[in-house]
Amino acid sequence: GAGVSQSPRYKVAKRGQDVALRCDPISGHVSLFWYQQALGQGPEFLTYFQNEAQLDKSGLPSDRFFAERPEGSVSTLKIQRTQQEDSAVYLCASSRTGFSEKLFFGSGTQLSVL
Amino acid sequence: DAKTTQPPSMDCAEGRAANLPCNHSTISGNEYVYWYRQIHSQGPQYIIHGLKNNETNEMASLIITEDRKSSTLILPHATLRDTAVYYCIVRGAGGTSYGKLTFGQGTILTVHP
Repeated sequence: GAGVSQSPRYKVAKRGQDVALRCDPISGHVSLFWYQQALGQGPEFLTYFQNEAQLDKSGLPSDRFFAERPEGSVSTLKIQRTQQEDSAVYLCASSRTGFSEKLFFGSGTQLSVL
Repeated sequence: DAKTTQPPSMDCAEGRAANLPCNHSTISGNEYVYWYRQIHSQGPQYIIHGLKNNETNEMASLIITEDRKSSTLILPHATLRDTAVYYCIVRGAGGTSYGKLTFGQGTILTVHP
């Protein structure tokens, strides 16, 4: 596709529920990133993939957060046993190479945990 | 990565130039200055980046001072669609560097009719 696509656009979950957020990066892009953006704040880095390899997961806030990119294209961010503090916009970005700061972002998934 | 300081908000009249400042006094020699913006309900959008020379593209111009301790993003003819949060980011490049960007709070630019 022309840009980074994320689904769903909005997700409402009950506390304790598991959720899965999907990201379709730009075709052929090597690198994929997940960011979390709380209301009124700038995005914060969660994790980074180069092809199918997860090279950095230092930003994942707890072991309830898990990300995968098994075939080096589509990625899924999974959050287990969601908590209210997980409510945020989750942004996915991709870049053409493994050494670029020119990222292309999707519009994000807004997660609300009730 | 060097820390950046930006004003929390700025206003600009439509059709006039918008000049957004950024202070990065602790920048080191191999760090680039990047600018992104985020329009409401969208993901951040790359605008421009530079090392020490001034840069211009179809979106904006980036002026970096000679000592590299500050920079200014210039939108030459602001439109209502330029209303957004603008982020100045300093990041090293090369080696194992990749897009692990630190966004900070940014500057909310409001363009008025």
